Amino acid sequence: DTGVSQDPRHKITKRGQNVTFRCDPISEHNRLYWYRQTLGQGPEFLTYFQNEAQLEKSRLLSDRFSAERPKGSFSTLEIQRTEQGDSAMYLCASSYDWGFSTGELFFGEGSRLTVL
Amino acid sequence: AQKVTQAQTEISVVEKEDVTLDCVYETRDTTYYLFWYKQPPSGELVFLIRRNSFDEQNEISGRYSWNFQKSTSSFNFTITASQVVDSAVYFCALSEPNYGGSQGNLIFGKGTKLSVKP
Repeated sequence: DTGVSQDPRHKITKRGQNVTFRCDPISEHNRLYWYRQTLGQGPEFLTYFQNEAQLEKSRLLSDRFSAERPKGSFSTLEIQRTEQGDSAMYLCASSYDWGFSTGELFFGEGSRLTVL
Repeated sequence: AQKVTQAQTEISVVEKEDVTLDCVYETRDTTYYLFWYKQPPSGELVFLIRRNSFDEQNEISGRYSWNFQKSTSSFNFTITASQVVDSAVYFCALSEPNYGGSQGNLIFGKGTKLSVKP
């Protein structure tokens, strides 16, 4: 059983460019989450999907951020017009939950974004 | 407001020493869940334990043990006879189901970096 995989692992871009990250969750998991982690901080919740429906978004997810999970399997997180403050590790996690989440999330290794 | 505080930024111990990682939380709710996650150098967070607010029993799993005390809003984590493989960043986290935090919106502390030297 493969774990959560994220691609690319590291992305360097210039300010103002768009970037997209992909996450492939564990295959039988119905929930998928995106978190952001900056240096020396804990992960911060961005958004989550149950199957293909995006059910919750954090205030951290500005209009420049968009996440999709079109077929309820993989997900993409796009950041438009990147800013230096977007530099962070973007973590994807998945779980198999109905109703209240157990909180046992399976995380990928993250996609590190550096905005120059 | 909900908050998780891990006051110890870094801890360094020698192998076989016992070490306790502190976690203090703030919450508005009477029903909540607490977690510990481990982040090794590879970066992948690994779930260790989940505790609900109604269960104050301490838990032991091998060399790991957790002490939950509602009176002091603390959920501390002890590693007994530490090993080099325990070196990682450990995060404490909180979830509040009655305030929209029930769906994987975990509030993490800043983490404690544990270094275990041989």
